[in-house]
Amino acid sequence: EDQVTQSPEALRLQEGESSSLNCSYTVSGLRGLFWYRQDPGKGPEFLFTLYSAGEEKEKERLKATLTKKESFLHITAPKPEDSATYLCAVQAGFQKLVFGTGTRLLVSP
Amino acid sequence: EAGVVQSPRYKIIEKKQPVAFWCNPISGHNTLYWYLQNLGQGPELLIRYENEEAVDDSQLPKDRFSAERLKGVDSTLKIQPAELGDSAVYLCASSVAGAGETQYFGPGTRLLVL
Repeated sequence: EDQVTQSPEALRLQEGESSSLNCSYTVSGLRGLFWYRQDPGKGPEFLFTLYSAGEEKEKERLKATLTKKESFLHITAPKPEDSATYLCAVQAGFQKLVFGTGTRLLVSP
Repeated sequence: EAGVVQSPRYKIIEKKQPVAFWCNPISGHNTLYWYLQNLGQGPELLIRYENEEAVDDSQLPKDRFSAERLKGVDSTLKIQPAELGDSAVYLCASSVAGAGETQYFGPGTRLLVL
């Protein structure tokens, strides 16, 4: 069975304090790994898709990387507006997305 | 470009009452998904449509849940009768073509069953 585990569950950073979020997965035949951001009261907002080990993608202060067993979302010099829940999901073949429970990030000024 | 539209945004009903949620996907997206998200959890797929056809409804509790996607555009998800445990956020998402493409989510409908 496909599984996704995200850690930590919650993370509190000071503005400018860089860190990383982890997404460990077990899946048979990874088609894609997806990162979403979700703000309170809103739907998930797409950030990145990674398809193969070694792939990296960047967007502003965020950088996502992928290995055969896990993905990292690196946040460089975060700002308070980066506070949100970050969701990781995997897709095997043409099957459904399997989501983790997310990491709640709070960035304090 | 307009995103996925859902209505209502909030709904409060008493148990055993029926409720319906509506979704309008992004224009040109032929695949539509309904997800359920409980507090502190990630979304879980209920049903996936390719155009008008429900191609994956294995997680849909068919005794009380039903869905339709007439003309391959808008979709409606219905619960009848609602139970206390159905309180959650119901998310709609759409993608360009088939499973495997990036899914874009709507804002969700927050359901509270009393």
